[in-house]
Amino acid sequence: KAGVTQTPRYLIKTRGQQVTLSCSPISGHRSVSWYQQTPGQGLQFLFEYFSETQRNKGNFPGRFSGRQFSNSRSEMNVSTLELGDSALYLCASSTPYEQYFGPGTRLTVT
Amino acid sequence: AQKITQTQPGMFVQEKEAVTLDCTYDTSDPSYGLFWYKQPSSGEMIFLIYQGSYDQQNATEGRYSLNFQKARKSANLVISASQLGDSAMYFCAMREGTSGATNKLIFGTGTLLAVQP
Repeated sequence: KAGVTQTPRYLIKTRGQQVTLSCSPISGHRSVSWYQQTPGQGLQFLFEYFSETQRNKGNFPGRFSGRQFSNSRSEMNVSTLELGDSALYLCASSTPYEQYFGPGTRLTVT
Repeated sequence: AQKITQTQPGMFVQEKEAVTLDCTYDTSDPSYGLFWYKQPSSGEMIFLIYQGSYDQQNATEGRYSLNFQKARKSANLVISASQLGDSAMYFCAMREGTSGATNKLIFGTGTLLAVQP
């Protein structure tokens, strides 16, 4: 059974640009969550999608958005990038008793 | 408010010894789940073990066990027979509520474990 996949793995962008990250959950998992990890703030929840609907949202500005497709794949978008958006972005897919993470996308904003 | 506290920023353990990583949590919801993850320097988050708030038995997965003390609101991870490959950052996390409502996790700040030969 394939694990959670995230693309791209590494990304370098310039301030003001926008970026789209992709996540494919484990087959059969309908819930996809996104997290941001930085040295200063640690791991913070961004949002969760379940059956194409946003079920929960963390405390991030509106520049951060996401969506989920009918095949459960999810994308997150960050518009007008700021230096502080440099982070490891992790996607997770869930069952009631397990939550598996992908390898992450390391975003660097210059 | 829900909160996870890991008071040990770093720990050392000798190879083949057992080690306990501390985690306390705070929630007013009677239904919650507790998770432990391992994050090596590569950055991937590896799921280790899960404990539900209504589970009567402590969870175990191979060399990992969770010492769940509900009244004290603690969920310590015990790693038996430490191996060099166990050197990593370890995170405790909590899902408040049932998975049917949310899979949002709140994470602690982590404990960096170093296993010495």
